[in-house]
Amino acid sequence: QSALTQPASVSGSPGQSITFSCTGTSSDVGNYNLVSWYQQYPGKAPKVMIFEVIKRPSGVSNRFSGSKSGNTASLTISGLQAEDEAYYYCCSYARSNTFVFGGGTKLTVL
Amino acid sequence: VHLVESGGDLVKPGGSLRVSCAASGFTFSNAWMSWVRQSPGKGLEWVGRIKRDTDGGTADYAEPVNGRFTISRDDSKDTLYLQMNSLKAEDTAVYFCATGGASYFGAWGQGTLVTVSS
Repeated sequence: QSALTQPASVSGSPGQSITFSCTGTSSDVGNYNLVSWYQQYPGKAPKVMIFEVIKRPSGVSNRFSGSKSGNTASLTISGLQAEDEAYYYCCSYARSNTFVFGGGTKLTVL
Repeated sequence: VHLVESGGDLVKPGGSLRVSCAASGFTFSNAWMSWVRQSPGKGLEWVGRIKRDTDGGTADYAEPVNGRFTISRDDSKDTLYLQMNSLKAEDTAVYFCATGGASYFGAWGQGTLVTVSS
């Protein structure tokens, strides 16, 4: 199972909106509404930000939103803040009862 | 929810190691549980999951570890295990346990480092 494709890095200024892409195939992202997104600071454990494509866990800011079109899922952060600077990973359920992660995107807040 | 991994160590290639994850703050026996690893400086990689007993208690694994790793649980001790055999250098990683495994991974531990090197 190949990893989902994410851009290595993105950057934005405070207050901007930024969107991360996560491209898979019809065997994972395109076939299941089971895409989740994780935020990870260096040396720390990941934290779920979005699950089942669009759902936000309690306690996660409503500045974070998710969507999906075909084989590509997206995470959007609106009103970018300095504290959002971190790595972001997408993950999808895949066939044969497995999960696959993306390679991760480093967000830099300028 | 609190998850604490332990047991990480330096192991020689071909060796074995068992890491544990002690859970608290939730009803462990009702939870599906998972292991996710992260090689130094790299991204996250799903290792496997185990269902709760009422859903069959079976485990599923990623292809790179299938046949070498075994996930088990002891609901009487609120503890998750990962038995790793025939370890390879590419298994070197921080191993995280996490709640969930049906659709996403909710709570995560801080991880335990496993280094495979001669």
